[in-house]
Amino acid sequence: SQQGEEDPQALSIQEGENATMNCSYKTSINNLQWYRQNSGRGLVHLILIRSNEREKHSGRLRVTLDTSKKSSSLLITASRAADTASYFCATREGAQKLVFGQGTRLTINP
Amino acid sequence: DVKVTQSSRYLVKRTGEKVFLECVQDMDHENMFWYRQDPGLGLRLIYFSYDVKMKEKGDIPEGYSVSREKKERFSLILESASTNQTSMYLCASMSWTSSTDTQYFGPGTRLTVL
Repeated sequence: SQQGEEDPQALSIQEGENATMNCSYKTSINNLQWYRQNSGRGLVHLILIRSNEREKHSGRLRVTLDTSKKSSSLLITASRAADTASYFCATREGAQKLVFGQGTRLTINP
Repeated sequence: DVKVTQSSRYLVKRTGEKVFLECVQDMDHENMFWYRQDPGLGLRLIYFSYDVKMKEKGDIPEGYSVSREKKERFSLILESASTNQTSMYLCASMSWTSSTDTQYFGPGTRLTVL
């Protein structure tokens, strides 16, 4: 089952602009995570936000969480070519399983 | 840093062959996972293991089996490969004791079944 759904599916912006991706989920959560995947590679954990947090920052990343709307957003500020990747949100289902969305494919144009 | 390695980056097999995909992690994690990733379908969980010799079916276990004889190694087995198993396979591990649910991924194996 895919609990997290990212929006948009694809996003193309100019270098230096900000990129915003959204994730919606269906059930109550303890936390929500964002991962990045460079083309043809494995996923890398970026940031985790807990259900009692509304906003979290890590470098150029800002994540927000609205549990009333069951949604989260990932903002990447001052984008760089190296930010070109797919971005996935993930929530926990059961004791160990993570459920991933289908991802947002971000392209940063020079 | 956690390191998860997978035995092959690219693999080409023929229909009907038995295929082994190996995954090794070096952080003593209890939990290990196998996913497949296909365009438009995202990551789908095939099997996971929460301890040595323990396994649980994920969302799409049909056509696959797994083996976890040692804590650090989790193998995915395609008993008789079929063309619809052509995909990117990702292994991940996670600790029970971590305060987060962070999974650490290997680089992936792109399997082509001809």
